[in-house]
Order: sequence, then structure tokens, then C-alpha cells
Amino acid sequence: EVQLLESGGGVVHPGGSLRLSCAASGFSFGDYTMAWVRQIPGRGLQWVASSAPSTFYAGFVRGRFTITRDDSKRTVFLHMRSLSAEDTAIYYCAKARSPYTSETFNVWGQGTMVTVSS
Amino acid sequence: DVQMTQSPYTLSASVGDRVTITCRASDSVDGFLAWFQQKPGEAPNLLIYEASRLETGVPPRFSGSGSGTEFTLTIDGLQPDDFATYYCQQYDSYSRGYTFGPGTKVDI
Repeated sequence: EVQLLESGGGVVHPGGSLRLSCAASGFSFGDYTMAWVRQIPGRGLQWVASSAPSTFYAGFVRGRFTITRDDSKRTVFLHMRSLSAEDTAIYYCAKARSPYTSETFNVWGQGTMVTVSS
Repeated sequence: DVQMTQSPYTLSASVGDRVTITCRASDSVDGFLAWFQQKPGEAPNLLIYEASRLETGVPPRFSGSGSGTEFTLTIDGLQPDDFATYYCQQYDSYSRGYTFGPGTKVDI
């Protein structure tokens, strides 16, 4: 069974940093684009970053976030710094539907909550 | 960046209804258009990809159509399990980015 399991969320002070992890199983991890998508509770979905393995970022990231992956450990990370209250959201890890493509996501994790608050 | 809009914002419907949701892009998305269903407290679930292709395991009452800048998601015979929020999403092959629509909530 294909599964994604996020971890690393929590409460962080404004200006702080956090690293999210997403452990994958059930598919050939290295062949797939992986992404992070976030959702402010009660609001819509917002793509954050992708690793294909070349990396791509949404404009609002502004150099604050870095996506990395360790194919040997089947894990993708999101390193976040200079966090502000506007970054408070559920962060989902997602897998591209087909290998060697970046079209859309057919498997999502359960999400990890990041709260930026003093 | 391509901007996505959806209409309506909310939709009241009954079991058995035929429901249509529209998604419009500010520029052509070359068919890289997907639809997701999301229920409260759950992650999004892929329904349709490449505008009209049904994801494996998704009931055939869901269908997608459209091209260029205008797309529709149709639910033919709404079921109790279908009351949820639906999002369209485009993939920009030039910028390698993704944009979601604002969502359409389908409720009773």
C-alpha cells in the first residue's frame, strides 16, 4: 500500500525554524516528484514546493523554505525558517501520480500542523 | 502565474441531483487540470486528472471536461458521500508550479 507519513509539525515562535519530514512507502520513491502543499484551517490549498528532483517553489516562499529528499531513506523534507503567523497551516506531503512527471498528486499524507505563535 | 477561479463558491444540492462545478484559468493550462474532493479533517482525494481522466477507484458518476481555460466537474447522481469541498488544480509546465482554485463547497 502506498503511504506517506508526515511528522515534525508543532508550535514555533515567529522568526523560528522547523523541519518537516515525510516518510514514504509502497512505491519506487526515487522515480517520483514529491511536493508539499499547505492549507490554512478552513481555507484553500496552496502548493509550497516540489522536488522532481530539481526543486521548485511557490513565490511566497521567498527563499525561506527548502525542500530536500533522501532517496535512500525514502523521505522528503521541508526546511522552514523565518516563520510568521501567515505560515500557520496544515502541511501535506504529496506524491505525483506518474513517475518522471509532475502533473498532479494522487497520494497525500494525513498532514502535520504548524502553528506560528508567540 | 496562472490564476484559477471556481464557480459557484457554494452549492446546495440534494441526493440524486446532477451537479456541475466550473473552473476557469487566467491562461491556457494545456489540459493539465485536476479535480480533488476534500472532506473535513481529511487530505484531498484525486478524482480527475488531465481534465477528463477518471482516477482509479473513483466512481464513474464523476466526470471532467474542458480545455484551454474552462473546465467542468460533473457529478451525475449526487450521493450522501459526495457532500464535500471540490478543488481544481492546474500544473504550469513552464514554471513547474501548481495552482489550486478556491474551492466549491457542496452541501445539502
